Amino acid sequence: DAMVIQNPRYQVTQFGKPVTLSCSQTLNHNVMYWYQQKSSQAPKLLFHYYDKDFNNEADTPDNFQSRRPNTSFCFLDIRSPGLGDAAMYLCATSSGNPGQMNTEAFFGQGTRLTVV
Amino acid sequence: AQSVTQLGSHVSVSEGALVLLRCNYSSSVPPYLFWYVQYPNQGLQLLLKYTSAATLVKGINGFEAEFKKSETSFHLTKPSAHMSDAAEYFCAVSRRFYGGSQGNLIFGKGTKLSVKP
Repeated sequence: DAMVIQNPRYQVTQFGKPVTLSCSQTLNHNVMYWYQQKSSQAPKLLFHYYDKDFNNEADTPDNFQSRRPNTSFCFLDIRSPGLGDAAMYLCATSSGNPGQMNTEAFFGQGTRLTVV
Repeated sequence: AQSVTQLGSHVSVSEGALVLLRCNYSSSVPPYLFWYVQYPNQGLQLLLKYTSAATLVKGINGFEAEFKKSETSFHLTKPSAHMSDAAEYFCAVSRRFYGGSQGNLIFGKGTKLSVKP
């Protein structure tokens, strides 16, 4: 089945140690998103790629970076994780036609990040 | 700017009872609205979406939602709750990115649904 896959499902990292979360998709969607979801909160968009164009949300900390080497893969890099970065990180995709706002996003299972 | 407000962070119903989860939206343009469900430690799954084709939208798992422009609401309902419906539910509105190229989802704070036997 076509889907969005996130690896790993659970990640433990040390305070200040760089960590990378990965996302792959078989939907051939040209838009990929990274959301951060803290406990009992709504998902918050960090950034997205529209094809190769990177779009950062204004309030996303510089500590968070992303790479999209090809259509299928997208990575979230946290350069120096702090305790406040512990959260569920959700990758999502959508088919992006200009001006089309009615397409839903397809989410992966998420990666739960713990910072120790 | 578009936004959604979900009334009630936690709703508890008995099995077999009506489920009603409330969502109100704010939008200066015709909105596209979505309901997602999230089970513990899982990603979000689309339940249904409103794209202006019909005001009553039917989704998966017996859920439906009615778009009411006069009330700026998009409440989610299910006639009879099952134990398996226990999850967190998010209402979302599609936001147009700067430049108007692609919508993006702005989520409400979520409503956790508990179902009592």
